[in-house]
Amino acid sequence: QKEVEQNSGPLSVPEGAIASLNCTYSDRGSQSFFWYRQYSGKSPELIMFIYSNGDKEDGRFTAQLNKASQYVSLLIRDSQPSDSATYLCAVGYSSASKIIFGSGTRLSIRP
Amino acid sequence: SAVISQKPSRDICQRGTSLTIQCQVDSQVTMMFWYRQQPGQSLTLIATANQGSEATYESGFVIDKFPISRPNLTFSTLTVSNMSPEDSSIYLCSFGQENSYEQYFGPGTRLTVT
Repeated sequence: QKEVEQNSGPLSVPEGAIASLNCTYSDRGSQSFFWYRQYSGKSPELIMFIYSNGDKEDGRFTAQLNKASQYVSLLIRDSQPSDSATYLCAVGYSSASKIIFGSGTRLSIRP
Repeated sequence: SAVISQKPSRDICQRGTSLTIQCQVDSQVTMMFWYRQQPGQSLTLIATANQGSEATYESGFVIDKFPISRPNLTFSTLTVSNMSPEDSSIYLCSFGQENSYEQYFGPGTRLTVT
């Protein structure tokens, strides 16, 4: 049974601070990892993907992957109230381009 | 990048009826998927919509309940059949390309069954 685990939160972070979101996965053979942002009442939006061990930066977002520990994280620097949303970790599996989602972490940025 | 749309955006239906949800992408895509997101929950894959052939369903989902069509590389439909209140959920379609796991989602259809 392939699983993706996230802390459901809510995670409360002051404006301007770094928000750190974490995810673990069970399938050691997984090669593709994604972070989606979902605002309340909206559909998920792909914000980051990472395929190799290490860090990948895009603006205020950094994705980190450690395949040995089966661990993915998302760092959001200089957090803004507009970053308040649910963040879904997703992991690719199977040869049919499928992804499995974690339960999501609710992030709240307090002014 | 491609734009994906769904209709209807929301509907309220009576128990025992069926609803067909349409998903349209503005360019050809290899993969299309249908998901369900129940209130406060994450996304669960219902099926992969295969162009020109029967959809591939995930465990717990069957064709009689969720028939899917994909007549071409830009369009797919999901029907929720013989609905019950337990089918109240958000239904989402997504697309991707072959040999890639990146998926992009439509705006979703919010279904309420009374």
